[in-house]
Amino acid sequence: EAGVTQSPTHLIKTRGQQATLRCSPISGHTSVYWYQQALGLGLQFLLWYDEGEERNRGNFPPRFSGRQFPNYSSELNVNALELEDSALYLCASSLGSSGSIHEQFFGPGTRLTVL
Amino acid sequence: QKEVEQNSGPLSVPEGAIASLNCTYSDRVSQSFFWYRQYSGKSPELIMSIYSNGDKEDGRFTAQLNKASQYVSLLIRDSQPSDSATYLCAVYHYQLIWGAGTKLIIKP
Repeated sequence: EAGVTQSPTHLIKTRGQQATLRCSPISGHTSVYWYQQALGLGLQFLLWYDEGEERNRGNFPPRFSGRQFPNYSSELNVNALELEDSALYLCASSLGSSGSIHEQFFGPGTRLTVL
Repeated sequence: QKEVEQNSGPLSVPEGAIASLNCTYSDRVSQSFFWYRQYSGKSPELIMSIYSNGDKEDGRFTAQLNKASQYVSLLIRDSQPSDSATYLCAVYHYQLIWGAGTKLIIKP
């Protein structure tokens, strides 16, 4: 069974540009989560999508946005990039929020570098 | 504000010894608890899930849950250098709440 996939692996942008990151969940999973992990720091929750709806968002400015498609894949958009947006962006998936199993499985991440 | 607390470490343990990692949480209604391992530059990997009070063993790993005291721990027996990583505790309440992680170093 294929795991969570993310693309691209690495992304280099300049300040002020926009970045789009993509994620495909494990087959059968309907929830997708996005996290930011700056170098040496912990996971910071960004966004949670389930069944195409945004269920929750973390303490990030509105220039961080995303969506979930009918096939449950998701994309994260970061507008007006700033230097401090440089980080590893992790996507995780889980079975839907209505179930009793809440384990999240992570993709390999996208390393975003803002110059 | 629901919180999950972990000692950031680093926790240094000699090879072959038992490594003990602890996590406390603030929300009494939490029902699901998870331990993840994260190697430097890699994504977190689920290693243990525990839902009931007591111990759960999987190979060299044992998770311990005490809901009355609101803590969950992870024991790693016969520690190996390959166990050197950051261990993240996560607690479920509507969504996973993450600890900041404990860095574990196994010294040969």
